[in-house]
Amino acid sequence: AQSVTQPDIHITVSEGASLELRCNYSYGATPYLFWYVQSPGQGLQLLLKYFSGDTLVQGIKGFEAEFKRSQSSFNLRKPSVHWSDAAEYFCAVAPNSGGYQKVTFGTGTKLQVIP
Amino acid sequence: GAGVSQSPSNKVTEKGKDVELRCDPISGHTALYWYRQSLGQGLEFLIYFQGNSAPDKSGLPSDRFSAERTGGSVSTLTIQRTQQEDSAVYLCASSSRRGLAGGLEETQYFGPGTRLLVL
Repeated sequence: AQSVTQPDIHITVSEGASLELRCNYSYGATPYLFWYVQSPGQGLQLLLKYFSGDTLVQGIKGFEAEFKRSQSSFNLRKPSVHWSDAAEYFCAVAPNSGGYQKVTFGTGTKLQVIP
Repeated sequence: GAGVSQSPSNKVTEKGKDVELRCDPISGHTALYWYRQSLGQGLEFLIYFQGNSAPDKSGLPSDRFSAERTGGSVSTLTIQRTQQEDSAVYLCASSSRRGLAGGLEETQYFGPGTRLLVL
């Protein structure tokens, strides 16, 4: 079975600073990887996903993530954070078959943005 | 509608009472998923519908939990004899699953959730 770890429960960054949210996964083969964002009172919104090919994935809202097989990581990055990016971010992993019901979510990283 | 909707947005109930949570998926989406999000936890899969049938109920935590989907659209999650540990946010999601790689190429859209508090 796969698993995913988000080691940072809470991160605070200044507006305009760069951001990196960590995600490590455990899976025997190449997994499908996702990053979601959840704003207060909202459902999850997909930021980006990796299935295969280029290991640097571009997403919405200026986010990108890089799949590093050797480190079993899929860290999310943004070069310049905006106050509206304050939210909770979830990394998720799925086996390469079986559908969304097989997705395992991390416990989330809450991002606070200060002026 | 434009997105996945859920009702009610908030529900407070007393221990032992039954509750029904509703999900309206995006029109035309054949796949529908229920998740539970407890405080400080990631999402926990509950059940998946393809059309009106539920090929995967493996995440339902007990027989107090059940769900149905009618007309390939609206779904209802029912929790009987609620317990305090049922308090959580219940999220619904839908996708247009066309059987490609299990449907993961299709984006999954989430509703805003129902926040359930059992006193």
